[in-house]
Amino acid sequence: EADIYQTPRYLVIGTGKKITLECSQTMGHDKMYWYQQDPGMELHLIHYSYGVNSTEKGDLSSESTVSRIRTEHFPLTLESARPSHTSQYLCASSDPDRLGPLATNEKLFFGSGTQLSVL
Amino acid sequence: AQKITQTQPGMFVQEKEAVTLDCTYDTSDPSYGLFWYKQPSSGEMIFLIYQGSYDQQNATEGRYSLNFQKARKSANLVISASQLGDSAMYFCAMRELIQGAQKLVFGQGTRLTINP
Repeated sequence: EADIYQTPRYLVIGTGKKITLECSQTMGHDKMYWYQQDPGMELHLIHYSYGVNSTEKGDLSSESTVSRIRTEHFPLTLESARPSHTSQYLCASSDPDRLGPLATNEKLFFGSGTQLSVL
Repeated sequence: AQKITQTQPGMFVQEKEAVTLDCTYDTSDPSYGLFWYKQPSSGEMIFLIYQGSYDQQNATEGRYSLNFQKARKSANLVISASQLGDSAMYFCAMRELIQGAQKLVFGQGTRLTINP
């Protein structure tokens, strides 16, 4: 059973607003991820973190930013939301340390997602 | 180039029938992992099954099995005795080492609908 939580579940806001999507996990996982998913489409990695004070850009360019001040918390921020940011945002975590750095069976645990609509 | 290809945008199957969801992948790395995830309409991603590139046997997890054909670079998901609750999007994903970092890349997904 995964213990990773995202809030809010749904968010509808106007253009130009600053928003923060919350993601927390209670499993003590070092690695955390943000994926963006348009309806019926594949997931694209936009940010990831190896641990506290570590943040990396993913494969898909995103105007959002992330921070990792605590192990359990990995919030995503949009300084000025636009309609093009409308999408589902999925947070995930994994714990690769016990598997070794080259392990390929590192399973991701996902949150329920935040569906963002920018009007 | 597409790393993971799922050629079936949608599938419709009668309840209790077996169903095979196709997935082909492209990598030059000898060490990689293949995953299948299920995404119900509620949006969360649920891990189903994993297959490592060096695993000799096909992975099985309850009603799920993975038909791994390494030479053909395919990793099809087989669901036996389908149930109404199996209706969902299904994503194939591959983990490989890219520029020193392990990354998980997803396919486009297949929407499976189980009819009563």
